[in-house]
Amino acid sequence: DGGITQSPKYLFRKEGQNVTLSCEQNLNHDAMYWYRQDPGQGLRLIYYSQIVNDFQKGDIAEGYSVSREKKESFPLTVTSAQKNPTAFYLCASSLTGELFFGEGSRLTVL
Amino acid sequence: AQSVAQPEDQVNVAEGNPLTVKCTYSVSGNPYLFWYVQYPNRGLQFLLKYITGDNLVKGSYGFEAEFNKSQTSFHLKKPSALVSDSALYFCAVREYGNKLVFGAGTILRVKS
Repeated sequence: DGGITQSPKYLFRKEGQNVTLSCEQNLNHDAMYWYRQDPGQGLRLIYYSQIVNDFQKGDIAEGYSVSREKKESFPLTVTSAQKNPTAFYLCASSLTGELFFGEGSRLTVL
Repeated sequence: AQSVAQPEDQVNVAEGNPLTVKCTYSVSGNPYLFWYVQYPNRGLQFLLKYITGDNLVKGSYGFEAEFNKSQTSFHLKKPSALVSDSALYFCAVREYGNKLVFGAGTILRVKS
């Protein structure tokens, strides 16, 4: 089935560690996105990519990094510079406007 | 910048009654508006969108939304609520670069 796969679903990290969240899609969509969700704040855009080998910062890019080496893949690294990384992270892709989301990854910093 | 507002943190409705979840928007130019639903610990599911045309947009699971340009609103509606409709609902607007800007979300609780 076509869709977006995020892994891992749950991740625990110690302070000072970098972690990478995986996002893979087989929908043949050009655009991919990473959002962060915190209770009561809706979704905030971290990074997005319209085509392979190109990406742009969103509203809250500090402390995060991404790469887009393949059309299917858009991994997100949460670095130690991110001061409050505990959140639910959602990856999405798009072809004609509406976004299709993965099931999310919940990161908890211990 | 484009934005949407969801004025209600929570909406409570009895099963079988009509439901409305409110959304207002602020945009420059023509608005491209969306509604999504999220169940606990899951991703967002697309319900419907307004691009242009009829002001009443029909979507998935019996939901519809009414676009009102004079009131800058895009309220989500359903004629008869189900307990299984209980979830978190997000309104969103498309911004430059094909990005979506989301509202804070509204919790819908349908009681039997």
